[in-house]
Amino acid sequence: EVQLLESGGGLVQPGWSLRLSCAASGFTFSSYTMNWVRQAPGKGLEWVSTISGSGGTTYYADSVKGRFTISRDNSKNTLSLQLNSLRVEDAAVYYCAKGATGKAFDYWGQGMLVTVSS
Amino acid sequence: SYVLTQPPSVSVAPGETARVTCGGDNIGSKSVNWYQQKPGQAPVLVIYYDSDRPSGIPERFSGSNSGNTATLTISRVEAEDEADYYCQVWDNSRDRSVFGTGTKVTVL
Repeated sequence: EVQLLESGGGLVQPGWSLRLSCAASGFTFSSYTMNWVRQAPGKGLEWVSTISGSGGTTYYADSVKGRFTISRDNSKNTLSLQLNSLRVEDAAVYYCAKGATGKAFDYWGQGMLVTVSS
Repeated sequence: SYVLTQPPSVSVAPGETARVTCGGDNIGSKSVNWYQQKPGQAPVLVIYYDSDRPSGIPERFSGSNSGNTATLTISRVEAEDEADYYCQVWDNSRDRSVFGTGTKVTVL
C-alpha cells in the first residue's frame, strides 16, 4: 500500500524558513517523480514543484522559484521541500504527491499546514 | 502562462449526468488528468490520460478531450460524488504543471 506522510509544517513569521518532509513507502521510490502541491485556505490547488526519480531534474512554479528547493533522498525514501523567505501568500496546506503516467499525481499525502503570519 | 478554466459550480440531481468542462488553448493536444477533492481531504485521481480510470474508480467516471475543451462526465450521479473537481495538465512549453480553477459539483 502506497503511503505518503508529510511532516514539518507549522507557524512561522514572514521571511523565515521551514523544511517539509514526506516519508514514502509501498512503492519503489527512486522510480517515480515526486511533487509538491499546495492549497491556500478556501482556494484551489496550485502546483509547486516536481523532481525526477534520480533527483537530477527539478521544476518550480514561478511563484516559488528562487525561494523553495525540492530534493529527495532515495536511500531513505524521503522527499523534502525547503521553504525560504516565506511570504504571507505562501500559507497553505502542502501536499506531497507521487508522480504517475501522463504527468498525473496518483497518490497524495494527508497534507501539512504552513501558516505564515507576524 | 497556460490557463485552465472551469465553471465554478455544477448542480445535478441524483441519477442524472454531470459534465465538468476544462477549457484551455489547444488542450486536446495535451494529456488531461482529473481529481476529486472532498472537504478536509486530499485530492484523489479519478481520470488520467484524458479518459483512463485508476483502479477503484467507478465506471461512472469518464473523460474526453478535444480541441479547446476537456470534459469530465459523471454518469448516474450519487450523493457521494459531491465534491470539488480539478483538471490538470503538464505544460511542456514551460515545464510546469497547471491545475484548473476547480468546479464544485453539488448533488441536489
